[in-house]
Amino acid sequence: AQKITQTQPGMFVQEKEAVTLDCTYDTSDPSYGLFWYKQPSSGEMIFLIYQGSYDQQNATEGRYSLNFQKARKSANLVISASQLGDSAMYFCAMRAPWGAQKLVFGQGTRLTINP
Amino acid sequence: EPEVTQTPSHQVTQMGQEVILRCVPISNHLYFYWYRQILGQKVEFLVSFYNNEISEKSEIFDDQFSVERPDGSNFTLKIRSTKLEDSAMYFCASSDGTRRSGELFFGEGSRLTVL
Repeated sequence: AQKITQTQPGMFVQEKEAVTLDCTYDTSDPSYGLFWYKQPSSGEMIFLIYQGSYDQQNATEGRYSLNFQKARKSANLVISASQLGDSAMYFCAMRAPWGAQKLVFGQGTRLTINP
Repeated sequence: EPEVTQTPSHQVTQMGQEVILRCVPISNHLYFYWYRQILGQKVEFLVSFYNNEISEKSEIFDDQFSVERPDGSNFTLKIRSTKLEDSAMYFCASSDGTRRSGELFFGEGSRLTVL
């Protein structure tokens, strides 16, 4: 069965610092996709970044990058130069095998950026 | 930018009543989903829908739940006889099936409160 684990229920970071949100996953499928979503207090789920299991390079999208360590089954989200607007809940999710319909989500990490 | 829209944003209902949650997916998307998030918990997959039929469903999606795409634009989730434990935020999502990442685009959610 597929499983996503986010071990940090909450994190507090000073504005402009970089922050790493942890995510580990478990699947026996060789082909899978990993996603990060942001959920602000307004409730919507916003797609941030994607990493495919066969991608050779770590994904980057602006200030977001994904530190993909396949052997360790980790897919940590790195936010550089954090901003107050980054305060939100962050969910790691996986689709496995890649063609599967559903995303399996982790428990989430609540990130608070302090001024 | 195209977006997934959901109505109502909040519905309060009595236990045992039928509820219909409505969603308008992004117009050229082919895959449709319902997820739910019980307060403070992770996002859980309910059902996926493609080519006018359910393609996958979770254990949560029992006989009390049904989905329909009645007119080619709306995508609805019906709960026949609501229970207290159905209280949650329900998210509709869609994807176009052509992107390499296959990310889902989520609506802002419909909060259901069952009394």
